[in-house]
Amino acid sequence: NAGVTQTPKFQVLKTGQSMTLQCAQDMNHNSMYWYRQDPGMGLRLIYYSASEGTTDKGEVPNGYNVSRLNKREFSLRLESAAPSQTSVYFCATGDNFNTGELFFGEGSRLTVL
Amino acid sequence: GNSVTQMEGPVTLSEEAFLTINCTYTATGYPSLFWYVQYPGEGLQLLLKATKADDKGSNKGFEATYRKETTSFHLEKGSVQVSDSAVYFCALSDRNSGYSTLTFGKGTMLLVSP
Repeated sequence: NAGVTQTPKFQVLKTGQSMTLQCAQDMNHNSMYWYRQDPGMGLRLIYYSASEGTTDKGEVPNGYNVSRLNKREFSLRLESAAPSQTSVYFCATGDNFNTGELFFGEGSRLTVL
Repeated sequence: GNSVTQMEGPVTLSEEAFLTINCTYTATGYPSLFWYVQYPGEGLQLLLKATKADDKGSNKGFEATYRKETTSFHLEKGSVQVSDSAVYFCALSDRNSGYSTLTFGKGTMLLVSP
C-alpha cells in the first residue's frame, strides 16, 4: 500500500538545468497538489490539479510547470533551475469526499547550486 | 485571503509536561481546520481535524477545539512524550467543488527531552 510516491528523493542541480519531479498515487483520488517547504515559511502551494486534465496555479507557480498525465500521476517540472528553488517538495492528494484532508508523499529534497 | 498564524518555535519541554501550541486563522466562509505533524525526514500526516465551530478534534492524546468567536484552533496535550518531538502545522481548508486547497501556518517545532 504505497499511497503517494515521489521520485527522486534527492537531487542536486546546477543553475539553469532542468528536471522533473514525479508523483504517483494509488489512492484513486481526484485531486493532486505540489507544495514546497522552506524554513520559516511553512508549506506553500505551487500548483494543483482538481481532476485529470485540469491544472491550476497556486501561491508560488513562477518557474514551474506541471502535467497531470493521468489520474495517478502528477509531475512538476523546473525548466531552468535557480538557487531560489532549493527546497523540499511535497506531492499530496486529496480525498474524494472533499473533507480537506491531504495525504502526503515523503518529499523530494532539491538543491540548486 | 486566507491565512494561518501559529506560535514560533522551537517549543522545548520535558517529558510529561503540558503542551499548548497556539493557532489563529483568518478566512472567509466556514473552513475546516487541521493539525498536521511532520516527523524528521518524513512527509506530513494528519493529526486531527474539526469541520465546524465548537467541534473538538482529538487523536493520540492531542486535542484542539474549533473556536469561531476567537478564530482559534489551539493544539493541546496533557503529557508529552519524547516521541512527540516533531514539527506541527496548523492549516485550514478552502473548499471548492470537488477539491480543497490547504493554507498552512509556518510550523512549530516541538522538542521533548527525557
